[in-house]
Amino acid sequence: GDSVTQMEGPVTLSEEAFLTINCTYTATGYPSLFWYVQYPGEGLQLLLKATKADDKGSNKGFEATYRKETTSFHLEKGSVQVSDSAVYFCALRGDTDKLIFGTGTRLQVFP
Amino acid sequence: DTGVSQNPRHKITKRGQNVTFRCDPISEHNRLYWYRQTLGQGPEFLTYFQNEAQLEKSRLLSDRFSAERPKGSFSTLEIQRTEQGDSAMYLCASSLMAGASGNTIYFGEGSWLTVV
Repeated sequence: GDSVTQMEGPVTLSEEAFLTINCTYTATGYPSLFWYVQYPGEGLQLLLKATKADDKGSNKGFEATYRKETTSFHLEKGSVQVSDSAVYFCALRGDTDKLIFGTGTRLQVFP
Repeated sequence: DTGVSQNPRHKITKRGQNVTFRCDPISEHNRLYWYRQTLGQGPEFLTYFQNEAQLEKSRLLSDRFSAERPKGSFSTLEIQRTEQGDSAMYLCASSLMAGASGNTIYFGEGSWLTVV
């Protein structure tokens, strides 16, 4: 079945460092790909999405490119802030029409 | 657009008791989803509705769990005879009807259940 694999955390960075969180997927057909963010004690917020190969999703300085050839959707940000500290989930939505999530990657940014 | 609303936000119950969570989706969203999330894990799909019809149930949804969406608007998730393993955050989400898998699924803030 469809699945998502994310790099394990926590990822610990200093403020203004470059961020990469790896995400790869397995799916039949042509899924849409998403990154959601979860702050402590809260639900999930959509961060960005891409619906077809080579699309780039972007929001709040975060970017991810849908790479069909490598089945990847890595999340990047050029300069992280303390306020970016959260858990980040990669997810896909395919033929089954429900979101399939990775296990999440905790990001900790220190001043 | 007031977003997806869930209540109660927190519930502590004794083992063996029944609990019910309510979800109010974004208006005009005809898809409604329930997920469960335990600490350190990603959300796991439980069930979803299109309007009032329950289209799919996960194997995670034991006989003690039941979900309804009687008029195609709000939904309830009931857990009967709760067990400590039911302790988790229960997330509700909604979206416009599928037709494009790129339709965004919007989540509520979740309902935390602690079974003691």
